[in-house]
Amino acid sequence: AQSVTQLGSHVSVSEGALVLLRCNYSSSVPPYLFWYVQYPNQGLQLLLKYTSAATLVKGINGFEAEFKKSETSFHLTKPSAHMSDAAEYFCAVNTGTASKLTFGTGTRLQVTL
Amino acid sequence: ETGVTQSPTHLIKTRGQQVTLRCSSQSGHNTVSWYQQALGQGPQFIFQYYREEENGRGNFPPRFSGLQFPNYSSELNVNALELDDSALYLCASSPAGGKGETQYFGPGTRLLVL
Repeated sequence: AQSVTQLGSHVSVSEGALVLLRCNYSSSVPPYLFWYVQYPNQGLQLLLKYTSAATLVKGINGFEAEFKKSETSFHLTKPSAHMSDAAEYFCAVNTGTASKLTFGTGTRLQVTL
Repeated sequence: ETGVTQSPTHLIKTRGQQVTLRCSSQSGHNTVSWYQQALGQGPQFIFQYYREEENGRGNFPPRFSGLQFPNYSSELNVNALELDDSALYLCASSPAGGKGETQYFGPGTRLLVL
């Protein structure tokens, strides 16, 4: 069975500071990993995904994530937070034959002045 | 290119009633997945439809059922509504339902069961 653990349900950073959102996965087969963002009262928007090509994946809005097999991690980072980054972030894994996603419980990012 | 659309945006029902939610997939996509997102939680996979056939189901009871039409739009039906069914229901489409494909999400339908 596959699963995702997101450490920290709430993360607060100052504008301009580094953003680090943590995601660890559990999978018995090579996974596909995704980060989605959800703004209030909206659906999910894909930030980036890992599909076994490069281990460092660059996404939209300056976000990137690094796949580390030895640590079973896929943490999301952004060098400098912006107020518009305040949202809920979800890590998800796909290992089956279909495109079904298993999501973590999410991390709410707050950006302060 | 039109993205994934869902209707209605909000819905209020009472316990025991039945509800139908609708989803139009993104142009060129033949796979639709449905997810339930309870307040403060991550989305949970309900089921997926690929070319009008169910292609995987999550841990949801049979009163959750679905349908996909020849134009690849989809419906989610929930019978005998319970209070715990209150949630945001998300529809996502993908080109062919294969492993690793990106799923594109609609804005969701927020269901409140009283």
